[in-house]
Amino acid sequence: GAGVSQSPRYKVTKRGQDVTLRCDPISSHATLYWYQQALGQGPEFLTYFNYEAQPDKSGLPSDRFSAERPEGSISTLTIQRTEQRDSAMYRCASSLAGTFGELFFGEGSRLTVL
Amino acid sequence: DQQVKQNSPSLSVQEGRISILNCDYTNSMFDYFLWYKKYPAEGPTFLISISSIKDKNEDGRFTVFLNKSAKHLSLHIVPSQPGDSAVYFCAAISGTYKYIFGTGTRLKVLA
Repeated sequence: GAGVSQSPRYKVTKRGQDVTLRCDPISSHATLYWYQQALGQGPEFLTYFNYEAQPDKSGLPSDRFSAERPEGSISTLTIQRTEQRDSAMYRCASSLAGTFGELFFGEGSRLTVL
Repeated sequence: DQQVKQNSPSLSVQEGRISILNCDYTNSMFDYFLWYKKYPAEGPTFLISISSIKDKNEDGRFTVFLNKSAKHLSLHIVPSQPGDSAVYFCAAISGTYKYIFGTGTRLKVLA
């Protein structure tokens, strides 16, 4: 697509429910990132993919968080048994492979856990 | 441990004057730095970057300065315009794919 697309834009869920967030990156971009951004903070790295490989998931806060990119394009971030502290903006970004350079961010998915 | 710090949460500048946004980092292995701009309800968008082998990069009204010995970079906007009002994030990377972001500075340009 023309830009990075994320869905849903807003998600309200009850504590203990599972949620899945989706990211559709720019079609020519091999690298895809997930970031978590709390209010008043900068984006914090969760994980990234190079095509379908996931070389670094060191930023995932717990084993309740997982991400997939099975065909090297669309990615999902799943949070199981959500907790109130999971409430945040979840941002997806993509970039060309093998370069230092700009990340292209989507508009984000705002998750609220009640 | 915050590796990239933006110590000023907000800044107000008169239209036409210079805006200077600052960023400090602790990891001397960072070799590429970026500035992002973010409007409300939008994702951050890339503004300007600089490699660690340079000390200055200029793009129109935007200039980024890097002082490696002080582990400090700054973004200068001259002249500032009301449309520059946004949150600005600096980010750094050290040869991996892990971009580290600062907490942001909210710039308000007063007309």
